Amino acid sequence: AQSVTQPDIHITVSEGASLELRCNYSYGATPYLFWYVQSPGQGLQLLLKYFSGDTLVQGIKGFEAEFKRSQSSFNLRKPSVHWSDAAEYFCAVGANSNTGKLIFGQGTTLQVKP
Amino acid sequence: DGGITQSPKYLFRKEGQNVTLSCEQNLNHDAMYWYRQDPGQGLRLIYYSQIVNDFQKGDIAEGYSVSREKKESFPLTVTSAQKNPTAFYLCASQREGREQYFGPGTRLTVT
Repeated sequence: AQSVTQPDIHITVSEGASLELRCNYSYGATPYLFWYVQSPGQGLQLLLKYFSGDTLVQGIKGFEAEFKRSQSSFNLRKPSVHWSDAAEYFCAVGANSNTGKLIFGQGTTLQVKP
Repeated sequence: DGGITQSPKYLFRKEGQNVTLSCEQNLNHDAMYWYRQDPGQGLRLIYYSQIVNDFQKGDIAEGYSVSREKKESFPLTVTSAQKNPTAFYLCASQREGREQYFGPGTRLTVT
C-alpha cells in the first residue's frame, strides 16, 4: 500500500538558518509529489509539486524540493528561514492517477527561533 | 478571484444533531474532496467526487454523507452516527488528477 512518512514531527530552527524537512514515500510507480504548508486554523497552501522531468523543483516562498527515486524521498529545503515560515508542513503523494487521491504524511511542525 | 470557500468558519452543535458543512469552488474543477484533520493525525479522506452526481467513500466515511448535484458544490453532512465529530474539516478541489487546492476549513465542535 502507498504511504508517506515524515520522520520529524517537530523541528526548531533559528531564523536565518537553513531548513530541510524530510519526506519518504512508498509507491510502486512514478509518483506525483507535493509539499503543502498550513498555518494554524487555516487551509493548506501548495508550496510545490513534482510530476516529471527535472528532479529539483522550485516553489513559492523560496522553497525547493528534490526528488530522489533511489531513496524514495522528496525532501523540502530552504536556504534561510524567516519567522513567518513557522507552520505545519505536509508531504503528499498521488496515490492513484485515476482517482486523483492524495496520501498525506503526518506533518512536520516547524518552529522558528528569533 | 478563483478559489474554494467553506462556511461557516466555526460551527457549534449539540450531540445528536446533524450538521451540514458547505464547500463551493469556482475553479471549474471536476474533482472535490472532504478531509478531516485531528491534532497529530494529518489529513484523513472522508469522501470524494470526481464528477457531478457521483461520489465515493474515503477512508473514514462512516457517520458522514455527501451530495454532488452541481459541479461547484460538495456539501458534507455530519450525522448523529459519527462518534467523534469534533474536528477541523477541509474541502479541496482538484485539476485533472493533479494538485489539490484547499479551502480555509470549518472547525466543528459538538458538545
